[in-house]
Amino acid sequence: GENVEQHPSTLSVQEGDSAVIKCTYSDSASNYFPWYKQELGKRPQLIIDIRSNVGEKKDQRIAVTLNKTAKHFSLHITETQPEDSAVYFCAASRPGNMLTFGGGTRLMVKP
Amino acid sequence: GAGVSQSPSNKVTEKGKDVELRCDPISGHTALYWYRQRLGQGLEFLIYFQGNSAPDKSGLPSDRFSAERTGESVSTLTIQRTQQEDSAVYLCASSLAPPMDNEQFFGPGTRLTVL
Repeated sequence: GENVEQHPSTLSVQEGDSAVIKCTYSDSASNYFPWYKQELGKRPQLIIDIRSNVGEKKDQRIAVTLNKTAKHFSLHITETQPEDSAVYFCAASRPGNMLTFGGGTRLMVKP
Repeated sequence: GAGVSQSPSNKVTEKGKDVELRCDPISGHTALYWYRQRLGQGLEFLIYFQGNSAPDKSGLPSDRFSAERTGESVSTLTIQRTQQEDSAVYLCASSLAPPMDNEQFFGPGTRLTVL
């Protein structure tokens, strides 16, 4: 089955700096890669996703890149703000299958 | 429309008791998932229902855990003879049938505390 590894487990940045979280996956048939954000005490919510037919997707300060050959994908947050502080989860799935989640990254943005 | 709902929001029980957790998915979502999240940890997959197919129970940690789903609606997760290590937030999520759209919408969770 699919295995998703996520790094780092914790990340601390200064407000205004960029943050990068990386994930690798094992199943070359996986074609859908979402990122979820979970604020303290809240439910995970989708913030951005990418499908395997594109290499990059951007939504304001958030971007995701995908390297299918290397089987890794990354989340990039620019101009970080204190409200970006949360736990971020990557995930991967192959067509018709459920998501497999990474272990999560706790991002702390210091004002 | 309404999102995924779960009840109760909090449950405190004594070790050895049985508990039932309920999940109401988004209407029209045929896929339903249960996860366990221990304090400060990631999402641990428990079980997955897709339409009328046999559920994927590969994530259930022991035979004390079971889940049912009535058609494409409500699901209940039952934990028998609860242990202290069962203490966690139990999250339910639903989605349209893969591969149409895999986005999972999560409920608020049930915080289970076993004393």
